[in-house]
Amino acid sequence: GESVGLHLPTLSVQEGDNSIINCAYSNSASDYFIWYKQESGKGPQFIIDIRSNMDKRQGQRVTVLLNKTVKHLSLQIAATQPGDSAVYFCAEKRWEYGNKLVFGAGTILRVKS
Amino acid sequence: DAGVTQSPTHLIKTRGQHVTLRCSPISGHKSVSWYQQVLGQGPQFIFQYYEKEERGRGNFPDRFSARQFPNYSSELNVNALLLGDSALYLCASSLAGQGIYNEQFFGPGTRLTVL
Repeated sequence: GESVGLHLPTLSVQEGDNSIINCAYSNSASDYFIWYKQESGKGPQFIIDIRSNMDKRQGQRVTVLLNKTVKHLSLQIAATQPGDSAVYFCAEKRWEYGNKLVFGAGTILRVKS
Repeated sequence: DAGVTQSPTHLIKTRGQHVTLRCSPISGHKSVSWYQQVLGQGPQFIFQYYEKEERGRGNFPDRFSARQFPNYSSELNVNALLLGDSALYLCASSLAGQGIYNEQFFGPGTRLTVL
């Protein structure tokens, strides 16, 4: 079935270090990818997105890399802060499914002070 | 501006009962989508409504139904509740209902517990 999965369920990093969260997707027809951050008691919050015709996109302290050859997506967070502690999800969309988001299982990011 | 709002925040029901969850989208947004998030998993798509019409449906049984009102708010109904329906139910709104580049804004969710 359709799925977007994550390699590491939990990631612990020291404050100030860089974090890398990985995601593997199963369908090479995926057209658009989004990273979400979900804090306890809240809904997912958009972080950054990337279209399938791109391989890199940068935001403020975050970078998303897309490797279509191996169907792999990563989120890099520079100078990780305690406020970055949350669950991170990658999600994908396909033109055939319109607005539907297909989420992965999530990675817990814990930032140690 | 207010974000997506959902009510109630928490809900406890028993097996066999039915439940109605409510969502108000961001002002001006015409599309509402519903997701189920079981503890420890990513959200799963249930429905999308746009301009009061169903535009997408996920792999959920017919016990799940939804509708959208003229003011674009939405209700999700679940009948004959099962223990497995216990989850966080998320509502997301977006400006448009078509295309894949529409950013979706999520509400805080309704936590449903079925005993």
